[in-house]
Amino acid sequence: AQKVTQAQTEISVVEKEDVTLDCVYETRDTTYYLFWYKQPPSGELVFLIRRNSFDEQNEISGRYSWNFQKSTSSFNFTITASQVVDSAVYFCALGANDYKLSFGAGTTVTVRA
Amino acid sequence: NAGVTQTPKFQVLKTGQSMTLQCAQDMNHEYMSWYRQDPGMGLRLIHYSVGAGITDQGEVPNGYNVSRSTTEDFPLRLLSAAPSQTSVYFCASKRDRDQPQHFGDGTRLSIL
Repeated sequence: AQKVTQAQTEISVVEKEDVTLDCVYETRDTTYYLFWYKQPPSGELVFLIRRNSFDEQNEISGRYSWNFQKSTSSFNFTITASQVVDSAVYFCALGANDYKLSFGAGTTVTVRA
Repeated sequence: NAGVTQTPKFQVLKTGQSMTLQCAQDMNHEYMSWYRQDPGMGLRLIHYSVGAGITDQGEVPNGYNVSRSTTEDFPLRLLSAAPSQTSVYFCASKRDRDQPQHFGDGTRLSIL
């Protein structure tokens, strides 16, 4: 069975603060994929990143960065210098093949001006 | 949500009514999936398909049927709607193993 835990239900920060979203996963598969999706207030799901289990390199994309640590089964996401447009629900997801995903419950990020 | 079209966007049903949620993609993607999103629970997989004529159950398939007669379309059928099926439904598609899923904009379904 697969399980994704996003322990933080809600995070509220002031603009320009950094915010880190935690994601811890459980799986028995040796090969798997990890994802982050963003769901803004408009409701659509926006793909942010996919990482496979053999690639533990951290990744940075603009103000977004991801820290994958297989030893602790974690795939954390940091937004640097947050902006109001970053306000959204963020989902971490896991799948042995990436058309059958298990999602975490989501973390609601509110960035105040 | 490039090229994944879900209809309708909103629907209200009475308990016991039947309904088909439509999902179409024009990207020639082999893989298609249906998820439901409920408050505090993230998205849960209902059914998925790895190609035309092939479907399989996900985590929460009860009360839903699917078919995949063409590559483009993957409809989700509720045969006898129940209030527990009130949710937001997302369809997703992907081309192959090396590409991420693209999600549609969702269908908000309320069952009274």
